[in-house]
Amino acid sequence: GAVVSQHPSWVICKSGTSVKIECRSLDFQATTMFWYRQFPKQSLMLMATSNEGSKATYEQGVEKDKFLINHASLTLSTLTVTSAHPEDSSFYICSARGFVASGGGEQFFGPGTRLTVL
Amino acid sequence: GQNIDQPTEMTATEGAIVQINCTYQTSGFNGLFWYQQHAGEAPTFLSYNVLDGLEEKGRFSSFLSRSKGYSYLLLKELQMKDSASYLCAVRDGKKDDKIIFGKGTRLHILP
Repeated sequence: GAVVSQHPSWVICKSGTSVKIECRSLDFQATTMFWYRQFPKQSLMLMATSNEGSKATYEQGVEKDKFLINHASLTLSTLTVTSAHPEDSSFYICSARGFVASGGGEQFFGPGTRLTVL
Repeated sequence: GQNIDQPTEMTATEGAIVQINCTYQTSGFNGLFWYQQHAGEAPTFLSYNVLDGLEEKGRFSSFLSRSKGYSYLLLKELQMKDSASYLCAVRDGKKDDKIIFGKGTRLHILP
C-alpha cells in the first residue's frame, strides 16, 4: 500500500506554545487528508478533513482557530496546535486519500505524532 | 449521523478462535474497515468489506451484512501478538467518504 509519513513522531512542548505536525504522502498524490486525535484508551476521533487548495472542514466541537490545518500541496498537510495546553496532549494521526478513480480512494494512515504539553 | 457499536473488551485463549462483532448505522454506507492497533501505535489495516459476504485473509476473516448493519472480524489460531485493540470503521459516502471509527475492542489473549 501507499506510504504516509508524519513528522515529528513525538514532541514535548510548554503550555502556551504552538506545535506544527506535518503529514506527507510519499508515493501518491493525496487529494484529501484527514486528521484524527486519540486520547488514551479511546478510539480515533476525526477532527477535520482537508482538501488540497481549500479550507479544511472541521468536525463539531473542534476549534478551527486552535487547530490550524493547511493542505497546500497534493503531498503535504500540516496541523498546527496553537497555544497548546496540557489537555491537548494526545496522539494525532493523519490519513491521506488519493484520487478516487485510482486505487478506489483507499485511505492510508500515518504513524502518528504523540504530543505532550507540559 | 453515525453510530458504531462494538464490545469494549474481550478475552480469548492462545490457539483459539474469537469473533468481534460490530453494528453500525450510517446514512451513506460506502464500506467497512477493520483495523488493528497496538498500544502506542497507529492503526494498521486488516480488512475492507463493501459487499455482503465473507472476506478471508490468512488467519483473519471479515464478514458484512449491509441489510443488518452488521460485521464481524474472525481471528483464528490466536497468537499472543494478537493482543491489541480492533477498530471497526465505516466510510460514509454522503460525508466526503470520511472514515469514522468505533470505540474499539481491546482483545486480551491468555496463554
